[in-house]
Amino acid sequence: QKEVEQDPGPLSVPEGAIVSLNCTYSNSAFQYFMWYRQYSRKGPELLMYTYSSGNKEDGRFTAQVDKSSKYISLFIRDSQPSDSATYLCAMRETNAGKSTFGDGTTLTVKP
Amino acid sequence: DTGVSQDPRHKITKRGQNVTFRCDPISEHNRLYWYRQTLGQGPEFLTYFQNEAQLEKSRLLSDRFSAERPKGSFSTLEIQRTEQGDSAMYLCASSLAQTGETQYFGPGTRLLVL
Repeated sequence: QKEVEQDPGPLSVPEGAIVSLNCTYSNSAFQYFMWYRQYSRKGPELLMYTYSSGNKEDGRFTAQVDKSSKYISLFIRDSQPSDSATYLCAMRETNAGKSTFGDGTTLTVKP
Repeated sequence: DTGVSQDPRHKITKRGQNVTFRCDPISEHNRLYWYRQTLGQGPEFLTYFQNEAQLEKSRLLSDRFSAERPKGSFSTLEIQRTEQGDSAMYLCASSLAQTGETQYFGPGTRLLVL
């Protein structure tokens, strides 16, 4: 079983919808939680970065971390066709170098 | 400086050949990471450097893979005697060496081994 599990989708929504993306994990030592967006054949682009539990909002994006449930979420409000991409969650232990990634959820936002 | 750069962006090689990739990190970043990503999977950690020192290598990194960062700036990743299973996107990332600093990725080098 992988340390980080992510529903691969694909997920298809109409423009303007609220999108919810989720990851679960098994390593309780993870303290840093990231969401990356990756367009086809490109490198991952950092979207959100959260330390420990709680919520963080940035424009249309909200990241939530529930360490007690080992569950993280990314919400996208007023989704746009340009949001169509693969979304990767990633996690890291304190003082660790490597990040551990989920396998990504592919999102399509239809005009 | 606009971000992490990688060269080449694409590489096609025949099985058994050696290949070398280069990564130039964001200039003030002293940590540099290599990841590998195959289709439908998330990036998988290979190794990372702090300045010139290679601090961690994944157990998945076979002896055919070697990475260097001789002057603490750019890094190279060499794969010897390539195999078809080495076909993947090789991603480089960099960060500051401070607790909690996050990693910024380059565009990747896509390798195809025939």
